[in-house]
Amino acid sequence: DAGITQSPRYKITETGRQVTLMCHQTWSHSYMFWYRQDLGHGLRLIYYSAAADITDKGEVPDGYVVSRSKTENFPLTLESATRSQTSVYFCASSLEHTQYFGPGTRLTVL
Amino acid sequence: KQEVTQIPAALSVPEGENLVLNCSFTDSAIYNLQWFRQDPGKGLTSLLLIQSSQREQTSGRLNASLDKSSGRSTLYIAASQPGDSATYLCAVSRWGTSYDKVIFGPGTSLSVIP
Repeated sequence: DAGITQSPRYKITETGRQVTLMCHQTWSHSYMFWYRQDLGHGLRLIYYSAAADITDKGEVPDGYVVSRSKTENFPLTLESATRSQTSVYFCASSLEHTQYFGPGTRLTVL
Repeated sequence: KQEVTQIPAALSVPEGENLVLNCSFTDSAIYNLQWFRQDPGKGLTSLLLIQSSQREQTSGRLNASLDKSSGRSTLYIAASQPGDSATYLCAVSRWGTSYDKVIFGPGTSLSVIP
């Protein structure tokens, strides 16, 4: 039982490039989330999704785009990466309000 | 605006000691509070979830309490072990009819010394 997987685990890109972080869950949980974790800011919610084709903004959505065409997938796209988006990104899903996290993607924007 | 703080930021204890981690929040209108542990370079693992109507939850050597009126939660770890070394985070949520913000605390870094 894989749970939640994220890919890639590490990514280095350049300013202005488009980057997509993938998230896949095997449980068919309705809710999925994207967070970023930064020193000094802790974990902050970027976007969440209540079901396929339903998404909503979290605390820090600017510069990010999400989609959810299938229940099990919730990709996060940085349309034009900036250095301030260097961070560790976590995907999570939720069952009855308990959140389950993926292993994270460490993204560096040069 | 909801703010979540955790004290202390770091804690080092000898193996076998009982310990308490603290979480404080400014807005008592929460739906639930969740405690997580995070190992270095890893994701978060859910430990305990307390609904707003509950006072405490227990799992093994862990006990979490919630006092909404004072805006506080504590995580009690009994008979600490080196394997408990990790960062512990609390998160408060306010769902209502749809998911609202989930606010995480900054975490307490725990080291259990053998």
